[in-house]
Amino acid sequence: EVQLLESGGGFVQPGGSLRLSCAASGFTFSSYGMTWVRQAPGKGLEWVSSISGPGADTFYADAVKGRFNISRDNSRNTVYLQLSSLRVEDTALYYCVKSNRMTMVRGVIVKVRDFFDYWGLGTLVTVSS
Amino acid sequence: QSVLTQPPSVSAAPGQKVTISCSGNSSNIGNNYVSWYQQFPGSAPKLLIYDNNKRPSGIPDRVSGSKSGTSASLGITGLQTGDEADYYCATWDSSLSAGVFGGGTKLTVL
Repeated sequence: EVQLLESGGGFVQPGGSLRLSCAASGFTFSSYGMTWVRQAPGKGLEWVSSISGPGADTFYADAVKGRFNISRDNSRNTVYLQLSSLRVEDTALYYCVKSNRMTMVRGVIVKVRDFFDYWGLGTLVTVSS
Repeated sequence: QSVLTQPPSVSAAPGQKVTISCSGNSSNIGNNYVSWYQQFPGSAPKLLIYDNNKRPSGIPDRVSGSKSGTSASLGITGLQTGDEADYYCATWDSSLSAGVFGGGTKLTVL
């Protein structure tokens, strides 16, 4: 059974930092990309960042680029999200998600397929003064 | 403002069919694959459709997905009160090099 358990959320002042962790089990962790998705209170889902299975490729939403850093330790089956220079608008429930990303290249055409089949319960980050 | 546009709400009677649209552009829906998620209040989202029109194991065939050009749709037939939830589309945006979600659609079964 796939399980994703987030931790590390909490209350922090603007400009502060937090490190979120997500411990995964029930699948071959190093074979799958992992993604962080957040949801502000009463709002919709927002894609935040993803990392490839080996960890070589990382991607970020413009809203967090330069402030957040995603990483993973495949020996510990854990993915991390380092949050820095936090803003009030970063307040959200942060979900750890198992990705199924595949890039298909046909000549000059590159298509990306990614979907999220398992979600954690989330860890709440509150940024406030 | 979400990159993908969904209607904020849709409604239909029990037993009827509803379609939820998701509009994008050539950099996202037009070039990549779409997935759909269902979310009940207080719960994590659940995958309903992937690769535009495929259902994961356990999702009934009254749920369907389609894509045409730069738009995608989620269809649910035989509506039940238990289908009342928020629904989100998602895809990859090749110009942004990032994933994107629609703003979400609240389904009400009257």
